[in-house]
Amino acid sequence: DGGITQSPKYLFRKEGQNVTLSCEQNLNHDAMYWYRQDPGQGLRLIYYSQIVNDFQKGDIAEGYSVSREKKESFPLTVTSAQKNPTAFYLCASCMLAGRGSDEQFFGPGTRLTVL
Amino acid sequence: KNQVEQSPQSLIILEGKNCTLQCNYTVSPFSNLRWYKQDTGRGPVSLTIMTFSENTKSNGRYTATLDADTKQSSLHITASQLSDSASYICVVRLTQGGSEKLVFGKGMKLTVNP
Repeated sequence: DGGITQSPKYLFRKEGQNVTLSCEQNLNHDAMYWYRQDPGQGLRLIYYSQIVNDFQKGDIAEGYSVSREKKESFPLTVTSAQKNPTAFYLCASCMLAGRGSDEQFFGPGTRLTVL
Repeated sequence: KNQVEQSPQSLIILEGKNCTLQCNYTVSPFSNLRWYKQDTGRGPVSLTIMTFSENTKSNGRYTATLDADTKQSSLHITASQLSDSASYICVVRLTQGGSEKLVFGKGMKLTVNP
């Protein structure tokens, strides 16, 4: 059953704590992305990775960190430096340009709430 | 500035009725435009993709149009069903300097009532 999964679905964090959101895909996609979704706003790109062991900052990378040690996995860490982390986080993946459809497939999301 | 504007922000219709969602963009250079459907608490799912040369594309009860001259797209939903209640997001891809970027609209919330 191919797809992209995120865990956990809901996450609660105390202020000052780091938390890591999981994203796994078995679609053999090269590129993976992390977005943040807030009410009344479009999706905003946090980080993306087009190849293992390489990743790039998106538009709102401050307070976040990522790793890409395996093609299938792209975890996102929300650090205590992120001033307003409460949001819905979406992970996506797609083939690289020229290697197939450019459609980004999204995971089911993780809702992070800071208490 | 690359922007994607959607209207209306929200819409309530009765089951069985038709509706049209609008998307205006100022993205350049344009590569393609997608409409996504996002159920509450879920990730977005692609409905249609429109390239520069395409005017109309259908996917079941969903029909997307694109006017590249006026930089407008619409998503028409025919014979709405309760399951159409969701947010609909217009996303434009631009290609610049060998890299690609997605510009997301804020989405519009459709509610279909029985």
